[in-house]
Amino acid sequence: GAGVSQTPSNKVTEKGKYVELRCDPISGHTALYWYRQSLGQGPEFLIYFQGTGAADDSGLPNDRFFAVRPEGSVSTLKIQRTERGDSAVYLCASSPTMNTEAFFGQGTRLTVV
Amino acid sequence: AQTVTQSQPEMSVQEAETVTLSCTYDTSENNYYLFWYKQPPSRQMILVIRQEAYKQQNATENRFSVNFQKAAKSFSLKISDSQLGDTAMYFCAFEGRKTSGSRLTFGEGTQLTVNP
Repeated sequence: GAGVSQTPSNKVTEKGKYVELRCDPISGHTALYWYRQSLGQGPEFLIYFQGTGAADDSGLPNDRFFAVRPEGSVSTLKIQRTERGDSAVYLCASSPTMNTEAFFGQGTRLTVV
Repeated sequence: AQTVTQSQPEMSVQEAETVTLSCTYDTSENNYYLFWYKQPPSRQMILVIRQEAYKQQNATENRFSVNFQKAAKSFSLKISDSQLGDTAMYFCAFEGRKTSGSRLTFGEGTQLTVNP
């Protein structure tokens, strides 16, 4: 596609439920990043993929968060047993390779009620 | 660990005037990139300007320019001839070359409002 696409745009879920957030990077981009942006703050790094493998997952806050990129293109961020504190905008970005300009999607706003 | 600080939560400017947004950072690395991103209500982060730490010359992109002071670890953004479409959140960000991948460390943001 022309840009990074994230679906859904908005997601409301109940506390304790499982959610999946999807990111379609720009075609051909090997690097993919997930960030979390809480209200009124700057984005915080969660995880980085180079190809299919997670090169750096040090930003994932706990073991309820997991992300995959099985074919080196689309990535899914998975959150188990959601908590109200997980409410935030989840941003995805991709870049042609590591250490090149990252292009961001419009994010998924997750609200846990 | 790197930190990025934006001390101005909100700024406002009249259309056609000039405004400067401040950013300071802390790092032990010598080779890195600094960025300013714009985030309108659509939520998409848009790159405004990028500065490479090893370049002494300040980056410019049309109406946008930076004042990069490496010794002081300061990286301010100047917007000239402000336009209504410049209204947005602005984030300063750091990327270390030694860091795994290209993870960005963002500041807290500055909400800029351009008034007609």
